[in-house]
Amino acid sequence: DAKTTQPTSMDCAEGRAANLPCNHSTISGNEYVYWYRQIHSQGPQYIIHGLKNNETNEMASLIITEDRKSSTLILPHATLRDTAVYYCIATRSGSARQLTFGSGTQLTVLP
Amino acid sequence: GAVVSQHPSWVICKSGTSVKIECRSLDFQATTMFWYRQFPKKSLMLMATSNEGSKATYEQGVEKDKFLINHASLTLSTLTVTSAHPEDSSFYICSALLNTEAFFGQGTRLTVV
Repeated sequence: DAKTTQPTSMDCAEGRAANLPCNHSTISGNEYVYWYRQIHSQGPQYIIHGLKNNETNEMASLIITEDRKSSTLILPHATLRDTAVYYCIATRSGSARQLTFGSGTQLTVLP
Repeated sequence: GAVVSQHPSWVICKSGTSVKIECRSLDFQATTMFWYRQFPKKSLMLMATSNEGSKATYEQGVEKDKFLINHASLTLSTLTVTSAHPEDSSFYICSALLNTEAFFGQGTRLTVV
């Protein structure tokens, strides 16, 4: 898996968009960008993933730069329940999905 | 989405005893499951890959005789922490593969006293 770099922590006001950046400058052509989050004392939850096109689902949007060296996860209207550690992982979407988790970004949504 | 359930959610045991943690895929079959460990304020670390019907594959530094993994059916993998010690206290999390995607259990908090 390519190495990813994320800020240690971020704050966001409730109701505002939360933009979480991730650098993956050594990502290879067949590696996807996955985002998971972990709310305190729970297992990780899948959010979204993409290869090179921007992606959107009911939880979030994923913006991947054209050179694929970085991406941004966007939570359009953050709520207090979005407070969690967010992990950006670059990995092949293959048959053996043991994921390598970095330190992630602690997002705190403030009232 | 797919549901993975762990049991128990938390357990306290005495030093020297063994503890079994179950990981079940509730609505799908999983030939491959993964076990992770997470210490406070740290990230998840992969311990082993559990394959149905065959021996588990352990990551470097994980003692296979201490952390026994059994994947006897397509919906159940178990992790047994043998002769537990206080340093084994941690948050244990499993995940199961559905097609090429990983779905996680809610985790098991183990406290060894």
